[in-house]
Amino acid sequence: EAQVTQNPRYLITVTGKKLTVTCSQNMNHEYMSWYRQDPGLGLRQIYYSMNVEVTDKGDVPEGYKVSRKEKRNFPLILESPSPNQTSLYFCASSLSWGGGTEAFFGQGTRLTVV
Amino acid sequence: DAKTTQPNSMESNEEEPVHLPCNHSTISGTDYIHWYRQLPSQGPEYVIHGLTSNVNNRMASLAIAEDRKSSTLILHRATLRDAAVYYCILLPHAGNMLTFGGGTRLMVKP
Repeated sequence: EAQVTQNPRYLITVTGKKLTVTCSQNMNHEYMSWYRQDPGLGLRQIYYSMNVEVTDKGDVPEGYKVSRKEKRNFPLILESPSPNQTSLYFCASSLSWGGGTEAFFGQGTRLTVV
Repeated sequence: DAKTTQPNSMESNEEEPVHLPCNHSTISGTDYIHWYRQLPSQGPEYVIHGLTSNVNNRMASLAIAEDRKSSTLILHRATLRDAAVYYCILLPHAGNMLTFGGGTRLMVKP
C-alpha cells in the first residue's frame, strides 16, 4: 500500500531535549516536505527536499533541521525544542515538484514540549 | 500569492450531492487548482486537481469556471465518511508549497 509513515504519532518532551520525528515513503517520490498545523494558522511548510541531499527552507524553518540521505526517508530534527514548537506535524511526499502532482500526507505527529 | 475563499461551513444530507465552492479571482495562468480534505485526527488527503478542464475521479468531480476565477468540488453522493474540512488550494506549475487556509467544514446529516 502506498503510504507515508511518520513516527511517533504522539510525543511529549521537555524543553531542550533533542528529538527526531521520522518520515518514510514507499512510493519512490522525489519531493518530500514537512508542515506544522496550528489552530488559526493553517498548515505551514517547515522544510522541503527536492531530492536526495537537496533540502531548502520553507516558511517557518527556525528551530528545525532536516536531512535527506536516502530517497525514502526525511527526518525532522528539533535540536533544542521549545514550547512554541508544540504543534501537529505532517510529512508529505509527491512524485515531483510542481502543481501537476498530488501530495500524500502522513498521519501526523502531535508534539507537546513542556 | 494567489488566495482562495471558501465558506466556513456547509451542511448536507447523506446520499445527496454536495457542491463545495471556491473563489480564486487572482489565479494566474499556470496555477493548478487542488482540493484536499482532512478528516478528524488524520492527515490531509488528496481529493482532486485540475488546470483548465473539468476533472472526474473516483472520489469527486471538479468543475472549473471558464475564466478560472472559481471552481466547485462536487461529491456526488455524500456519506457520513465525507464529513471533513475541505481545502481549496492553488499551486503554481513550478512550486509545491501547500498553503492551507481555513477550508470548508462539511457536516453530513444522516
